[in-house]
Amino acid sequence: QVQLQESGPGLVKPSQTLSLTCTVSGGSISSGSYSWNWIRQPAGQGLEWIGRIYATGNTNYNPSLKSRVSISVDTSKNQFSLKLTSVTAADTAVYYCAREDFNYGHNFEYWGQGTLVTVSS
Amino acid sequence: DIQMTQSPSSLSASVGDSVSIPCRASQNISTYLNWYQQKPGKAPNLLIFGASSLQRGVPSRFSGNGSGTDFTLTIANLQPEDFATYYCQQSYSTPRTFGQGIEVETK
Repeated sequence: QVQLQESGPGLVKPSQTLSLTCTVSGGSISSGSYSWNWIRQPAGQGLEWIGRIYATGNTNYNPSLKSRVSISVDTSKNQFSLKLTSVTAADTAVYYCAREDFNYGHNFEYWGQGTLVTVSS
Repeated sequence: DIQMTQSPSSLSASVGDSVSIPCRASQNISTYLNWYQQKPGKAPNLLIFGASSLQRGVPSRFSGNGSGTDFTLTIANLQPEDFATYYCQQSYSTPRTFGQGIEVETK
């Protein structure tokens, strides 16, 4: 059973960089037809796709965040990471990592439990 | 970007009811449409992929239909554990986008 787990600071100061890591267990990040994604959800609001990375290192980002986002992968550690620069209070949200499966209709089958990141001084 | 619209923001229903949850895409997305259920404090859970394929382990009272721009998630014989928020999501193109969600609440 594939599991994903987010980790990183729960509090980030305005203008600083938010950094999160997603550790994948129960399967190799390098195998299969998958992409590895970050999705966020402000309190009481809907879901926003941030971007994705493939095991090859190829990335796609949401244009609304593209200038501030970077996603990287470390296949040796079975992890992928998110960096979001110049954060403001509007970036306060629960951040999820998720695996997108291309075998059956391109869906987010596996999710981490989510981690709350608060942007505040 | 493809906009996904879910309206209204909430629906009231009772145990045993049949509930239909709509979703509309701003352009033709064929059947690249997924449905998720989310309960408070939890990650979303995949229910339906490809507009109508039931994810393994999901009860058969959940069903999806539609293609192009209009889609529906139907819950037959609503159970107490089904009171939750439901999101549609398009996987036709990037950026991936979600609807605003519809909360199914107790009447």
